[in-house]
Amino acid sequence: GENVEQHPSTLSVQEGDSAVIKCTYSDSASNYFPWYKQELGKGPQLIIDIRSNVGEKKDQRIAVTLNKTAKHFSLHITETQPEDSAVYFCAARTPYSSASKIIFGSGTRLSIRP
Amino acid sequence: SQTIHQWPATLVQPVGSPLSLECTVEGTSNPNLYWYRQAAGRGLQLLFYSVGIGQISSEVPQNLSASRPQDRQFILSSKKLLLSDSGFYLCAWTGRLTQNTEAFFGQGTRLTVV
Repeated sequence: GENVEQHPSTLSVQEGDSAVIKCTYSDSASNYFPWYKQELGKGPQLIIDIRSNVGEKKDQRIAVTLNKTAKHFSLHITETQPEDSAVYFCAARTPYSSASKIIFGSGTRLSIRP
Repeated sequence: SQTIHQWPATLVQPVGSPLSLECTVEGTSNPNLYWYRQAAGRGLQLLFYSVGIGQISSEVPQNLSASRPQDRQFILSSKKLLLSDSGFYLCAWTGRLTQNTEAFFGQGTRLTVV
């Protein structure tokens, strides 16, 4: 089955600097890669996603890149702000109609230093 | 619009007691439904997913079970809770593969087994 690995597990950056979180997946058939932000005590919220027919997607300060050949994708946050502090999860969705699952990485706790 | 309800928000149960967590989805039909568990400071572990009424796939052998008695209702149960069942349980839904593939999460249930 699909396996998603995420690094680093914790990340601390100075406010205004950039943060990068990286993930790899194992199932080459996976075709949808969302990123979620989870604040304390709440459910994860989608912040950006990318499909396998796209190599890069950007939404204001957040961008995601996908390398299908290497089976890895990354989240880039520029000009970080205190409200970016949270746990971030990458995920991959398998396309099988009878077993379409979303498998998550282990999460990255991002802390923004003032 | 679609919404997902999960209850209760918090639960404290003694070891050996039964468990029933309920999740319902509104505003969509034939969703894929998921139960995830998040141990303290850790990632999201997929426990069960369902592609239709009565169809349950288990990802991890454990003390828990799931049922889908109705199209938009997903229940997580246990006959006898263990201390290791403590955690943050999240219900989620996605559309079918040809539809929006984003996963929407409930607000979670924090279960403490004492």
